[in-house]
Amino acid sequence: GDSVTQMEGPVTLSEEAFLTINCTYTATGYPSLFWYVQYPGEGLQLLLKATKADDKGSNKGFEATYRKETTSFHLEKGSVQVSDSAVYFCALSDPTLGGGGNKLTFGTGTQLKVEL
Amino acid sequence: DVKVTQSSRYLVKRTGEKVFLECVQDMDHENMFWYRQDPGLGLRLIYFSYDVKMKEKGDIPEGYSVSREKKERFSLILESASTNQTSMYLCASSLSWRGMGHGYTFGSGTRLTVV
Repeated sequence: GDSVTQMEGPVTLSEEAFLTINCTYTATGYPSLFWYVQYPGEGLQLLLKATKADDKGSNKGFEATYRKETTSFHLEKGSVQVSDSAVYFCALSDPTLGGGGNKLTFGTGTQLKVEL
Repeated sequence: DVKVTQSSRYLVKRTGEKVFLECVQDMDHENMFWYRQDPGLGLRLIYFSYDVKMKEKGDIPEGYSVSREKKERFSLILESASTNQTSMYLCASSLSWRGMGHGYTFGSGTRLTVV
């Protein structure tokens, strides 16, 4: 079945450091890929997405490129801030899955802590 | 913006109680989902619905049921609450599968404690 694998956390960085959170996937079909962010005490928010190979999703200084050849969708940010501290989830939506609806398969999440 | 509203942020229930978690969305989304979130396990799909009165089991449906009588409302029911159902419950909605590439909109979550 489909799966998403993320690097384990927590990831602890100093403010203004470069961030990479790795995400790889396995899917039956040609999935769409997503990054969600969960701030403390809140639900998940869509951060960015990409729907086809070589697409780059971007939002709030975060970027991720859909790499079909390596089945990856790594999240990057050039300079993190304390306010970026949150849990980040990689997810995929596979159009070949049956049952209707566009079910998402999530990774287990990576906690990011940014310190001054 | 789409809003998904979960009726309670925190709930404390006793073992054996029947528990109702309510979720309402305001943008006419076809699909609605219930997940539970536990440390180290990520998000696990309990049930989902892609139309009124339609429901499908997710990965961990045991001990749960759902109801979708109206398009905007999707209820999760714990028939007889147990301590292993203590968790964060997240509701989400999305456009239909024909809009592939649409992500989910999540509610803020309900933290349920069963004592």
